[in-house]
Amino acid sequence: NAGVTQTPKFQVLKTGQSMTLQCAQDMNHEYMSWYRQDPGMGLRLIHYSVGAGITDQGEVPNGYNVSRSTTEDFPLRLLSAAPSQTSVYFCASSYSYRGVATGELFFGEGSRLTVL
Amino acid sequence: GENVEQHPSTLSVQEGDSAVIKCTYSDSASNYFPWYKQELGKRPQLIIDIRSNVGEKKDQRIAVTLNKTAKHFSLHITETQPEDSAVYFCAASKQGSYIPTFGRGTSLIVHP
Repeated sequence: NAGVTQTPKFQVLKTGQSMTLQCAQDMNHEYMSWYRQDPGMGLRLIHYSVGAGITDQGEVPNGYNVSRSTTEDFPLRLLSAAPSQTSVYFCASSYSYRGVATGELFFGEGSRLTVL
Repeated sequence: GENVEQHPSTLSVQEGDSAVIKCTYSDSASNYFPWYKQELGKRPQLIIDIRSNVGEKKDQRIAVTLNKTAKHFSLHITETQPEDSAVYFCAASKQGSYIPTFGRGTSLIVHP
């Protein structure tokens, strides 16, 4: 198993450009999520999904879109990048056991985004 | 909603000393408390967790304790080594929830 795979690892954008951060997992996890990590702010939840076709907003969703067309993939779209979106982004997945969410998160390696 | 406070934000120890990181939570319905370790430039990874039906759990040099009455839990690392240097995050979640609430992290520095 590759686990949770994120691409790209590094990206530089200009203000106003759009891009998509890709996330894929091969563990058949039903839950996937996106976090951003900024110094001193910990891990903040952007969007999450509990299954294909289902998405919901987290703590800091503004400026980001997501979709979940398959169990494996959960891309994060920045529609019009702003310098405030400079951050490290982590995708994470999780699973249930006997129908109950375990709460354990498996993180991707992260994507470092700089918006100029 | 749930609120998780983590202290200290930075902890500096000498190799061989013990380190303790403390977290408090606000929602008495939370019953799962994981700890994640994030080495510099790496992803967070689960190192130990505890559920509310136990008070303490150990795994070699690390242990986690939980006090449900006081709503706090702690990570204990004994005989610290330089490779323990990392950022540690505590989290809390309710049974059946995929979504944890994270503390802001503790940067542990172990000096050789």
